[in-house]
Amino acid sequence: DQQVKQNSPSLSVQEGRISILNCDYTNSMFDYFLWYKKYPAEGPTFLISISSIKDKNEDGRFTVFLNKSAKHLSLHIVPSQPGDSAVYFCAASEFITGANSKLTFGKGITLSVRP
Amino acid sequence: DSGVTQTPKHLITATGQRVTLRCSPRSGDLSVYWYQQSLDQGLQFLIQYYNGEERAKGNILERFSAQQFPDLHSELNLSSLELGDSALYFCASSVAGLGNEKLFFGSGTQLSVL
Repeated sequence: DQQVKQNSPSLSVQEGRISILNCDYTNSMFDYFLWYKKYPAEGPTFLISISSIKDKNEDGRFTVFLNKSAKHLSLHIVPSQPGDSAVYFCAASEFITGANSKLTFGKGITLSVRP
Repeated sequence: DSGVTQTPKHLITATGQRVTLRCSPRSGDLSVYWYQQSLDQGLQFLIQYYNGEERAKGNILERFSAQQFPDLHSELNLSSLELGDSALYFCASSVAGLGNEKLFFGSGTQLSVL
C-alpha cells in the first residue's frame, strides 16, 4: 500500500517558468514532510521540509505548500532552471507522535527543465 | 559529498548467492537507514539503526539482515539472492534518527543478480 503517492511520473517545463510537483498521502498520522532531489548516479539530497503545524515553507526558489485536509502537498520551483532537472521525492514521517521515525517515500517525479 | 560512504558501488552476482553491503555514516551521525530502490519504485524503507540498536523495521525480507557496529558503520546482508533483488540500495544517516531530521544519503550500491 503506497502511503505517499506521486501520481505524475514526469513533468517538463520551460526555463524561467514555475514547476509544480504534487504529492498525496493517505496516512493521517504523518506530521512531517520533506522533499528530496536526486541526480543520476547520486544519492537523494534534502531540499525542503514542512511540519504539519504550518501550511507553507519557503527557501529561496523553493516553496512547499501543505493542505492537511486534502492530505496533499506541493513543491513550487520559481523560476525553474535547467539545473533543477532531477528526480524529486516526496517523503513523510510520524514525527510528533514519535510512533514511527522512519521516512516513507513516494516513487518520485522526473522534472525536466527545457532551456 | 554527503559524507556517507557506501561500498561497493556495483555488485554483480548470481541467484542463490549472499552479498554484504557496507555503509559508513556521516561523522557524528548515530542513526543509519537502509533503503531499496527498484525499477519504477520509490525508495522502500528496509531498516533503521540507532547507536547499534534496531529502531524501526520496514519491508525487509527475512533473507535480508543488517547490523550496526560499535564504530557505527552498518552492513546489510542479502542472502539466497533472487532476480527480483536486483536494485539500488541506499544507506542514509542522521544525527538522532528522528522523523524530522534530514537524511544524508550515500551514492548507493547497484546490485545486479543474474
